[in-house]
Amino acid sequence: NAGVMQNPRHLVRRRGQEARLRCSPMKGHSHVYWYRQLPEEGLKFMVYLQKENIIDESGMPKERFSAEFPKEGPSILRIQQVVRGDSAAYFCASSPGTDRSNEQFFGPGTRLTVL
Amino acid sequence: EDQVTQSPEALRLQEGESSSLNCSYTVSGLRGLFWYRQDPGKGPEFLFTLYSAGEEKEKERLKATLTKKESFLHITAPKPEDSATYLCAVRDYGGATNKLIFGTGTLLAVQP
Repeated sequence: NAGVMQNPRHLVRRRGQEARLRCSPMKGHSHVYWYRQLPEEGLKFMVYLQKENIIDESGMPKERFSAEFPKEGPSILRIQQVVRGDSAAYFCASSPGTDRSNEQFFGPGTRLTVL
Repeated sequence: EDQVTQSPEALRLQEGESSSLNCSYTVSGLRGLFWYRQDPGKGPEFLFTLYSAGEEKEKERLKATLTKKESFLHITAPKPEDSATYLCAVRDYGGATNKLIFGTGTLLAVQP
């Protein structure tokens, strides 16, 4: 009964490189969320996806960031041309998709360090 | 705009010393208040969901309560293993989104 899986757990990139973060939701969950946690700050919502659809991307920067959740395979958060300010912990969460019991369960996170 | 404020920022307790953490919120229409526990270097672990004022939920030494403006997480006779950051989050009725708005957390340290 695996929980939400994220990989890699740690990622180091140099400024200008691309970062790809992957998230596999819990079994039976069709909704995926990405959050970012900066040092000394709370978790901030970035994007909410269902299979092949972006439902809410109001928290995602307009440039360099993109997300997808294809029909097959994990959800991907992609950051192009990374800058030092992108260094943070990125968490993925999933939920089953029904309204009342729509608790979000989080993965262990990917810690991105930009040199 | 939705807001979540948690207090205190940090709390140090002796083992067995009960206390409460506070989460004040402002939303247009509450569609769930969530409590999570986060250990260093790990993802948030789901604890409770509360939906309406007057609702209470318990799990071991933790009890969460909800009013129209705030929620409390009561910790009874805490143990060192209860040391963690406790996060509160809300979800409101804004459109089709299920996004959570988080507070900055309360860092709890329980000393033996």
